Amino acid sequence: EVQLVESGGGLVQPGRSLRLSCRASGFTFGDYAVSWVRQAPGKGLEWVGFIRSKAYGEIAEYAASVKDRFTILRDDSESIAYLQMNSLQTEDTAVYYCTRDVYLGSGNPYYYYPMDVWGQGTTVTVSS
Amino acid sequence: QSALTQPRSVSGSPGQSVTISCTGTSTDVGRYNFVSWFQQHPGKVPKLIIYDVNKRPSGVFDRFSGSKSGNTASLTISGLQPDDEADYYCSSYAASYTFVFGTGTKVTVL
Repeated sequence: EVQLVESGGGLVQPGRSLRLSCRASGFTFGDYAVSWVRQAPGKGLEWVGFIRSKAYGEIAEYAASVKDRFTILRDDSESIAYLQMNSLQTEDTAVYYCTRDVYLGSGNPYYYYPMDVWGQGTTVTVSS
Repeated sequence: QSALTQPRSVSGSPGQSVTISCTGTSTDVGRYNFVSWFQQHPGKVPKLIIYDVNKRPSGVFDRFSGSKSGNTASLTISGLQPDDEADYYCSSYAASYTFVFGTGTKVTVL
C-alpha cells in the first residue's frame, strides 16, 4: 500500500525548534518530490515548501512565511523526509501534511504531477 | 505570494451544477497550466481531483471538470451529489519555484 506517515508533532514554546518526519512506504521514494502543506485550525491549506528528488539535486524551495526558519531534508535510504522547524511562532500552529509529488526539473518544472498521496497529518501547537 | 481568491461558499441542489472560481495573477494561474484542485471532507485529508487545469486522476468521477481563462481557473461539479459536500481548494505553481493554494470554497448540497 502506498502510504505516507508523519510524526514528530507536539506542543512547543515560541522560539523553540521541532523536527517532523514523513516516512514513505509502498513506492520508490527516491523517484518523487515531497511537499509539506499545513492547515491552521479552522483555516485553509497553506503550501510550506518542497524538496526535489535526488535526480534534480534535492533542491528545496520554501514559502516566504517560513523561509530562513524551516528546512526540508530527505534520506532516500530510509524513505524519510524531514521538516526542520526553527524559531517557531504561534502562527505556525497547524496540522502539517507531507505529500508525494512528481516534479521534474531543477528550476521550473517541465512536468508536474501534484500531491496525489497525503499523509494523515501531524499536529504542531506553538504556545507558551 | 498571496493566496488565490476563491468564493467562500457555493451551494446547489442534487443534480445541479456548481462552478468554483479561483483567481490569481499573471505570475501564477495566468502563466502556468500547473493548476490543481483538491477536495477535503470535514476531518479528512485533502484529495487531488484535478491537475494540469483539466485532467482527472484515475478514479475521479468525470462529474468534476476544470478550465482556465486568463488569470482565473474554474472547477465545475456536474450532477451534484450529497457526497460532494466538502471544501475545495485550488492550487497553482507560481513564480520563484513556489506553489500557492486558494482560500478555499465550501460546497453545500441543499
